[in-house]
Amino acid sequence: GAVVSQHPSWVICKSGTSVKIECRSLDFQATTMFWYRQFPKQSLMLMATSNEGSKATYEQGVEKDKFLINHASLTLSTLTVTSAHPEDSSFYICSARTRTGPNPYTQYFGPGTRLTVL
Amino acid sequence: AQKVTQAQTEISVVEKEDVTLDCVYETRDTTYYLFWYKQPPSGELVFLIRRNSFDEQNEISGRYSWNFQKSTSSFNFTITASQVVDSAVYFCALSGGGSNYKLTFGKGTLLTVNP
Repeated sequence: GAVVSQHPSWVICKSGTSVKIECRSLDFQATTMFWYRQFPKQSLMLMATSNEGSKATYEQGVEKDKFLINHASLTLSTLTVTSAHPEDSSFYICSARTRTGPNPYTQYFGPGTRLTVL
Repeated sequence: AQKVTQAQTEISVVEKEDVTLDCVYETRDTTYYLFWYKQPPSGELVFLIRRNSFDEQNEISGRYSWNFQKSTSSFNFTITASQVVDSAVYFCALSGGGSNYKLTFGKGTLLTVNP
C-alpha cells in the first residue's frame, strides 16, 4: 500500500519550454502532496505544499510563477516548470501524505523526475 | 524551529558488519513524528519507519532496528549483518503534529557496504 507514482521519470527539454510533471497516489487519497527538489549529494529541499482544491503554499525563495502547482483531485498533483532554463535542471520529487492506515501522517515519495534543460 | 542532525556524512562497512546511523533532533512540539527513509542509487525515497513522540518502544524489523530515546532526543537506526543491497543514503526526518506537518530532513548518511 501507499504507492506514489511520478511521470515522467526523466525529461530533456530546450531552454524556454515548459515541462509538466505528474504525481499520483495510486492506492490512497492524499489531500496534501509535496514537491521537493534535490541537488546532487544533498538533502531534499521543500518547494511547496499542495492541498487539494486550494492554492499551493510555496516556500520562501521559490518562484510561484515559475513552478506552477495544481492539485485538482485527491490523487493527482502536477508541477509545471515554466520557461525552463538550465539552472532549473534538477531532480524533482513529489510525496503524498497519508491521513489514515497503519502509518498516518506519513509522506510516501514518488520515484522522482530528472529534468535536464539544454 | 525544528532541526535534524545526522552527524555521520558517510559510513563504509564490510558486509555482515553491524552499523548504526545516528539521528539527533530538536523540536519544541510535544507531539511530533520521526521517520527514516532510504534513498538507493535509483533515487526513490523508501519509507522505513514512523515513530510518534509518545511511543518510545524500540522496534525491530528483520535486520533493521530503531532506538528512540526522548531523553537524548535521538532516533538511531541499526542495520544488523549489513548487506551490499543496504548501500544507500539514509535520511532521518521530523514533522510536528497537527498542521505543522512539513518534514524536516537531516542531511543524510551515505552508507556503503562493501563485499
